[in-house]
Amino acid sequence: DAGVIQSPRHEVTEMGQEVTLRCKPISGHNSLFWYRQTMMRGLELLIYFNNNVPIDDSGMPEDRFSAKMPNASFSTLKIQPSEPRDSAVYFCASRPGIQYEQFFGPGTRLTVL
Amino acid sequence: GNSVTQMEGPVTLSEEAFLTINCTYTATGYPSLFWYVQYPGEGLQLLLKATKADDKGSNKGFEATYRKETTSFHLEKGSVQVSDSAVYFCALSDSGGGADGLTFGKGTHLIIQP
Repeated sequence: DAGVIQSPRHEVTEMGQEVTLRCKPISGHNSLFWYRQTMMRGLELLIYFNNNVPIDDSGMPEDRFSAKMPNASFSTLKIQPSEPRDSAVYFCASRPGIQYEQFFGPGTRLTVL
Repeated sequence: GNSVTQMEGPVTLSEEAFLTINCTYTATGYPSLFWYVQYPGEGLQLLLKATKADDKGSNKGFEATYRKETTSFHLEKGSVQVSDSAVYFCALSDSGGGADGLTFGKGTHLIIQP
C-alpha cells in the first residue's frame, strides 16, 4: 500500500488567503485524524472521523478551520482566512477500525506570511 | 483529562551508549501506550506499543514496559546508533475500543554522536 498520502507537501500563502490541505487515507482504514504540530504546542489532535463522520472536532482552533470527509478515500482541512499563527506542520493519519495503531502521512508544512 | 509527560531534550549520547527516555501518563481509563519516532522531514512512525499493564513492546532494539503502578512507559535501548537520531514521542490512546485520537507528549529530540 502507498501509505497515507498528503498534498501539498509545502504551502506558502499570504495572510487572509484560503488554504486547503488534502489527505488520502490507507485503503480499508475507517478512522481518519488531522493533527497540527508546532514548536510551542507540540502535536495536537484537531479532528477525527469514523466511517466518514466527524466524531470529535473539539480540537479545531476556531471557526476559520473546517474539515470534511466526503468519502472513505479523501479528506480536506480548510483554513479560511489563514493567519500567520496557523503556520505549522499538519499531519493526517488513518487507522483500521478495530486496532489502536495510527499510520501517519508525511505532513504538509504550511507557512502563512 | 489525558496527558503525557516526557523528558525534554535534546538528549545527546555517544554511539553504543544506553538510552532511556522517560514517559509518564495520566488517563481516565485503561489506555494503550505507544512510542512514535519522527525522522527529519518525515511523518511519525510507530516504533512500539503496549495495550495492557505489564506488556512489553519491542522493535529495532527498543523496548518499553507498560507500568500501571507507576503510570510509566519508559523507552530503552541497550546500544544506540547514529541512525537512531530522531524525535521520539510517547502517546496514549484511551478509546476503550472507540476511535479517538492520540494524546502525545512534547517529544524528545535524540542526538547520537559517532
